[in-house]
Amino acid sequence: AQSVTQLDSHVSVSEGTPVLLRCNYSSSYSPSLFWYVQHPNKGLQLLLKYTSAATLVKGINGFEAEFKKSETSFHLTKPSAHMSDAAEYFCVVTTGAGGTSYGKLTFGQGTILTVHP
Amino acid sequence: EPEVTQTPSHQVTQMGQEVILRCVPISNHLYFYWYRQILGQKVEFLVSFYNNEISEKSEIFDDQFSVERPDGSNFTLKIRSTKLEDSAMYFCASSGTGWFPEAFFGQGTRLTVV
Repeated sequence: AQSVTQLDSHVSVSEGTPVLLRCNYSSSYSPSLFWYVQHPNKGLQLLLKYTSAATLVKGINGFEAEFKKSETSFHLTKPSAHMSDAAEYFCVVTTGAGGTSYGKLTFGQGTILTVHP
Repeated sequence: EPEVTQTPSHQVTQMGQEVILRCVPISNHLYFYWYRQILGQKVEFLVSFYNNEISEKSEIFDDQFSVERPDGSNFTLKIRSTKLEDSAMYFCASSGTGWFPEAFFGQGTRLTVV
């Protein structure tokens, strides 16, 4: 079984300040973890993914996430927020290939990021 | 850049009616999925589809739902006898192969049952 908990439903930052979106996961097997972003009226776009290689993962638009197995966390960060970062962010887990669960994603409840000028 | 497209973007239907949500996955992908998000709730897995058959489905995906790949390019979700609680955003996704395949999502179809 796998699950994801996003610790904040809303995060509000000022433009130019750091962003931290928190995510904890639970998985019976070695997981792969993703962050997706959804802008209003748009589809879900992949920001970055962790697949058991480097624990610090760099994604698009300056976002990063660090996989910490001891803390079962995969927090998303960005050094300096931009107005265009305002969106909803989803932390997602999958246990990957094998069996009938191939590719099945389990989503967190989402974090809405607001960026103030 | 290849993308997953869904039609329609919005659908309003009367309770008890049948609806078909359509998706065109990325052309060389082999795995297809439907997810849904009820307003204020998590995105939930409905079903995965591979090699012209369902590979996994959730407990939500009961006899009211069916999926089909009728012509090698479209991937459809049919909901028979819609209920008010079927109102949600429905997302189609597709992925290739590999150990941890990245899923590409469409922009979603907002279904409103009245």
